[in-house]
Amino acid sequence: DAKTTQPNSMESNEEEPVHLPCNHSTISGTDYIHWYRQLPSQGPEYVIHGLTSNVNNRMASLAIAEDRKSSTLILHRATLRDAAVYYCILVYSGAGSYQLTFGKGTKLSVIP
Amino acid sequence: GAGVSQSPRYKVAKRGQDVALRCDPISGHVSLFWYQQALGQGPEFLTYFQNEAQLDKSGLPSDRFFAERPEGSVSTLKIQRTQQEDSAVYLCASSLARGITYNSPLHFGNGTRLTVT
Repeated sequence: DAKTTQPNSMESNEEEPVHLPCNHSTISGTDYIHWYRQLPSQGPEYVIHGLTSNVNNRMASLAIAEDRKSSTLILHRATLRDAAVYYCILVYSGAGSYQLTFGKGTKLSVIP
Repeated sequence: GAGVSQSPRYKVAKRGQDVALRCDPISGHVSLFWYQQALGQGPEFLTYFQNEAQLDKSGLPSDRFFAERPEGSVSTLKIQRTQQEDSAVYLCASSLARGITYNSPLHFGNGTRLTVT
């Protein structure tokens, strides 16, 4: 499985934008980039995914480098509720895969 | 609508006891996954069901771990003769698609925290 690298932790002030980086230098052409987050004492929840183009949804934006070897999850205005562990995961677009591989993720702290 | 429901939320077991953890997936979801999450770590895959068929159990750490989904909906993860190293959060997830696909995210429950004393 292609691997991702994320910083262990990051801090942000409340109501400021947050850029969470992810490196995936061995990504293949058939891998999608997915982000999940895990709030304290909860299960992970899906945030966003993309292949090549930048993506936006109500939760966040995903910026993907032109060579696809890195990506950035952007929270436009951090709130206290965004304090969580964020996981960047590569998902193969073909069939026959049954495992989503999580790393350690980035623990985001939001300062009031 | 209801999400993935797991019970109990917390379980304390004495070493050597058997435990059973239940997962109620979202209605109509074909795929069901079990993950184990140790403190400070990301979730690790245990096993996968497509309807009632267990198609991947490569992540089960020992033969003390057993999972079933007999009617293709509710699933139970059973751990026999629990050991201290089994202490972890056990997460269940479901999805509409068959297997992992790029366009069908997993929906996770809030897990069962198992503590073995």
